[in-house]
Amino acid sequence: KAGVTQTPRYLIKTRGQQVTLSCSPISGHRSVSWYQQTPGQGLQFLFEYFSETQRNKGNFPGRFSGRQFSNSRSEMNVSTLELGDSALYLCASSLTGQAYEQYFGPGTRLTVT
Amino acid sequence: GIQVEQSPPDLILQEGANSTLRCNFSDSVNNLQWFHQNPWGQLINLFYIPSGTKQNGRLSATTVATERYSLLYISSSQTTDSGVYFCAVWAGSGNTPLVFGKGTRLSVIA
Repeated sequence: KAGVTQTPRYLIKTRGQQVTLSCSPISGHRSVSWYQQTPGQGLQFLFEYFSETQRNKGNFPGRFSGRQFSNSRSEMNVSTLELGDSALYLCASSLTGQAYEQYFGPGTRLTVT
Repeated sequence: GIQVEQSPPDLILQEGANSTLRCNFSDSVNNLQWFHQNPWGQLINLFYIPSGTKQNGRLSATTVATERYSLLYISSSQTTDSGVYFCAVWAGSGNTPLVFGKGTRLSVIA
């Protein structure tokens, strides 16, 4: 079975732009969670989608949004990019949505200049 | 919310040495996991260990839930063990997220 895939793997954007990241979960998994990893704050939960519905959201500003499609693929969008948004964005999928069942993708490394 | 503290923050080992990584958490948890993040950023689930002891090859983990800590043991370390080790806890039920510690950065030198 193929693992969790994320595209693109690397991205460079300019402050003020917006960006969309994509995550394809393991086949059959219906839950996708997104995490932001920075040197200062570590790994922080962004949001979780299950069957196209956002079920949980972390403490991030409204510039961070996401969605999930009927095939369980998920996208996250960050608008009006700030330098502090530079981070590794990880997505994780799970079969039932339980956090302890999550399998992580390789991440997208976003650099904002 | 729940706090997760890991120690030490950094660790340098000679190949073949043993090490113990610690994770303390501030409240009761339903689950605890240890992850290894390789230098390319991939997070690999090592152990799901809400309590008790588990072993997988040269790695083993022990969680004492009543005392709110977990230990990860690495024996006969190899250069491929290098990376960051994270402890993550899941305190709630249903769709509550994982809460991660800051990690222990391990460097194994030949």
